[in-house]
Amino acid sequence: EVQLVQSGAEVKKPGESLRISCKGSGYSFTNYWIGWVRQMPGKGLEWMGIIYPGDSETRYSPSFQGQVTISADKSINTAYLQWSSLKASDTAMYYCARRGGDSHGHWFDPWGQGTLVTVSS
Amino acid sequence: DIQMTQSPSSLSASVGDRVTITCRASQSISSYLNWYQQKPGKAPKVLIYAASSLQSGVPSRFSGSGSGTDFTLTISSLQPEDFATYYCQQSYSILITFGQGTRLEIK
Repeated sequence: EVQLVQSGAEVKKPGESLRISCKGSGYSFTNYWIGWVRQMPGKGLEWMGIIYPGDSETRYSPSFQGQVTISADKSINTAYLQWSSLKASDTAMYYCARRGGDSHGHWFDPWGQGTLVTVSS
Repeated sequence: DIQMTQSPSSLSASVGDRVTITCRASQSISSYLNWYQQKPGKAPKVLIYAASSLQSGVPSRFSGSGSGTDFTLTISSLQPEDFATYYCQQSYSILITFGQGTRLEIK
């Protein structure tokens, strides 16, 4: 079974750093892009960026460029989303998802279960 | 960025109704359009990919159509489990964008 399992919920203070993870299993981790999606409380889905674990090529949404860092460790089939200095406005659910598809397009499936990040003083 | 605009933002309907949600792209995206369903507290799930292809395991009451800039998601006969939020997403550009979502509520 293809599966993405994310790390657990986090509660942090403004200014702290954080790295959350997304571990893939049941497929060749290096051959599929992994994307990250933010969902702020009561709001819609926002694409943050994407990484190809095979060579760590990364693309960011302009809205998130410079705000977060996406990385991957292919030796342990894990992708990461990292903040160096959290803000209260980073409070959200964060999902990772595998990008599959073919010449007709690409879509996210499956998704991780989500990691809730709460930033509060 | 390619902007994706869904309408309506919310919709009330009854079990058994036929429902259509539309998604418009700010430029042509060919058929590189996907639809997702999200239920409260759950991760999104892909329903339709490449504008009109039904993902494996998704009931046939869901269908998608369109190309270029205008797309639709149709649910032919609403079931209780279909009340959720629906998002379109373009994959024409590596800079992926989602629509703002359509919340489907029980009338």
